Amino acid sequence: QSALTQPPSASGSPGQSVTISCTGTSSDVGRYYYVSWYQQQPGKAPKLVIYDVSKRPSGVPDRFSGSKSGNTASLTVSGLQAEDEADYYCSSYAGSDIPMLFGGGTKLTVL
Amino acid sequence: QVQLVQSGAEVKKPGASVKVSCKASGYIFTSYYMHWVRQAPGQGLDWMGIINPFSGSTTYAQRFQGRVTMTRDTSTSTVYMELSSLRSEDTAVYYCTRALVGVTHTASHWGQGTLVTVSS
Repeated sequence: QSALTQPPSASGSPGQSVTISCTGTSSDVGRYYYVSWYQQQPGKAPKLVIYDVSKRPSGVPDRFSGSKSGNTASLTVSGLQAEDEADYYCSSYAGSDIPMLFGGGTKLTVL
Repeated sequence: QVQLVQSGAEVKKPGASVKVSCKASGYIFTSYYMHWVRQAPGQGLDWMGIINPFSGSTTYAQRFQGRVTMTRDTSTSTVYMELSSLRSEDTAVYYCTRALVGVTHTASHWGQGTLVTVSS
């Protein structure tokens, strides 16, 4: 199973919105509503920001939203803030043998 | 609150094995699956495997089959990940991470990470 495909970088100015894509196949992203997104600040452990395509864990600002269409999932960060600058990783369920298949990560820069 | 506390950094020689521990607290240990995920320097996240702390059953990523063993000790709420036949490419930060209740496809809480350096 190949990793999910994410753009290596994305950027936006404070207050703007940015969307990061995550492309898989009909065996993972396209088949299950089990896409998660993780934020990783430099030197820290990842943090879950979206799960089950569009659900937000308690404490995650509603500026973070997720969606899916076909084999591609997306994370949108609205009202960009300096603290949103981080690496973002998507993951998808790909069956009981591969419950978490990760994307390569996207570095989000707040200009 | 949920806490996952991992063992300290390790330096190993090629061919050796390493065993990393992850002590859980703040929730019912046997009710949540635990994953192990690693991250090589400057690289992305790489799923290694999952353990059911209730039954001890495991599923490993194919590329680690035969080299990785995940176990748990319910008396101390601790999971372990042992990786053998280490090579330089195994140099990475290793994370334990707990799933949401009843499911295997998310990682809602993460340990602080354990750096394993493989060097001769």
